Amino acid sequence: GDSVTQMEGPVTLSEEAFLTINCTYTATGYPSLFWYVQYPGEGLQLLLKATKADDKGSNKGFEATYRKETTSFHLEKGSVQVSDSAVYFCALVWGGNQFYFGTGTSLTVIP
Amino acid sequence: GAVVSQHPSRVICKSGTSVKIECRSLDFQATTMFWYRQFPKQSLMLMATSNEGSKATYEQGVEKDKFLINHASLTLSTLTVTSAHPEDSSFYICSAQAGSGTEAFFGQGTRLTVV
Repeated sequence: GDSVTQMEGPVTLSEEAFLTINCTYTATGYPSLFWYVQYPGEGLQLLLKATKADDKGSNKGFEATYRKETTSFHLEKGSVQVSDSAVYFCALVWGGNQFYFGTGTSLTVIP
Repeated sequence: GAVVSQHPSRVICKSGTSVKIECRSLDFQATTMFWYRQFPKQSLMLMATSNEGSKATYEQGVEKDKFLINHASLTLSTLTVTSAHPEDSSFYICSAQAGSGTEAFFGQGTRLTVV
């Protein structure tokens, strides 16, 4: 069945460091891929998305490219800030409405 | 982006009582809404899928008589935790979609504490 495998955390980085959070997926078709961010005590917010192969989603300095050949959608940011500290979820949806989420990766950025 | 409002954000209730959580899509019609439960430092666990005007579809292991879901209109779904127990304490999140394969918009979540 459809599933998402996400890099385990927690991840701790210094401010201005480079961030990569790996995400790979398994799907029987061609899903849409998403990254959601959850700040402490809040719901999930869409960070970026890509709906077809080779699409690049980007927002707030974060980027992820939909790679069909490697079934991946890795999240990257060139220079993280303290305010980026949160939990990041990779997700896919295909066919129906149900989202499949990864387990989440907690990111802490220290000054 | 679209807004989904979830209320209340926090609730404390006594063991044995029932609690209702509302999920509203404020600026779009949501044919489908989802209810998730999130345990500390874990991912979201889908509890049920709610379609307007029909019975909710529950995931395996979720008690439908305990977690009552009603989707009475295209903008409102409710989750009622009946006869709550301390083990029901958790973070509950709803999401709504306007159509198949589209972005999901999430509510702010409800922190339920049963004492």
